[in-house]
Amino acid sequence: TQLLEQSPQFLSIQEGENLTVYCNSSSVFSSLQWYRQEPGEGPVLLVTVVTGGEVKKLKRLTFQFGDARKDSSLHITAAQPGDTGLYLCALNTDKLIFGTGTRLQVFP
Amino acid sequence: KAGVTQTPRYLIKTRGQQVTLSCSPISGHRSVSWYQQTPGQGLQFLFEYFSETQRNKGNFPGRFSGRQFSNSRSEMNVSTLELGDSALYLCASSLAYIGGGSPLYTFGSGTRLTVV
Repeated sequence: TQLLEQSPQFLSIQEGENLTVYCNSSSVFSSLQWYRQEPGEGPVLLVTVVTGGEVKKLKRLTFQFGDARKDSSLHITAAQPGDTGLYLCALNTDKLIFGTGTRLQVFP
Repeated sequence: KAGVTQTPRYLIKTRGQQVTLSCSPISGHRSVSWYQQTPGQGLQFLFEYFSETQRNKGNFPGRFSGRQFSNSRSEMNVSTLELGDSALYLCASSLAYIGGGSPLYTFGSGTRLTVV
């Protein structure tokens, strides 16, 4: 079973700051998904990255898939309190295998 | 279009009891998956049902079981509850079974189970 390690585990920042969270594995991914889970809710799919080196943008969020397809990153520009939540990377195989998660808190 | 509905939202049970959680998928979705989320273990896959058949099962003891009805609604049951079963239980529905390609999952808001 592939293990997805995310870092950092916790991140607490002020509104307007930039941040990057990482998702790493020792194995090669065929594709990778990023989810955001807000308190009291289920995870919501943000993006799926498929091709090594791929970069996808979703407003202030930039997702990158590593060239070797063993890592991915999520960069948030000018974070806002509404970005607060648990960010999860996941492999979508015959089930979803989730990473360990990064809990982000953005203070006004 | 209604989302995935899970009931109840919160539940408190005593050790040794059993519990049944319900999940109504998005209309037209035939696949329902269940996940357990705890602070220590994160989100872990329990099982998946498609057309009333269990298609996949995670690494959980037999106390965890589920079923799916002809209208695609699903229930999961946990018998002989233990303190460690306290968790957020999430279900997710999708259109297609994984055998036909990678489905897109929509999650419900979960049932928060506390075992005392």
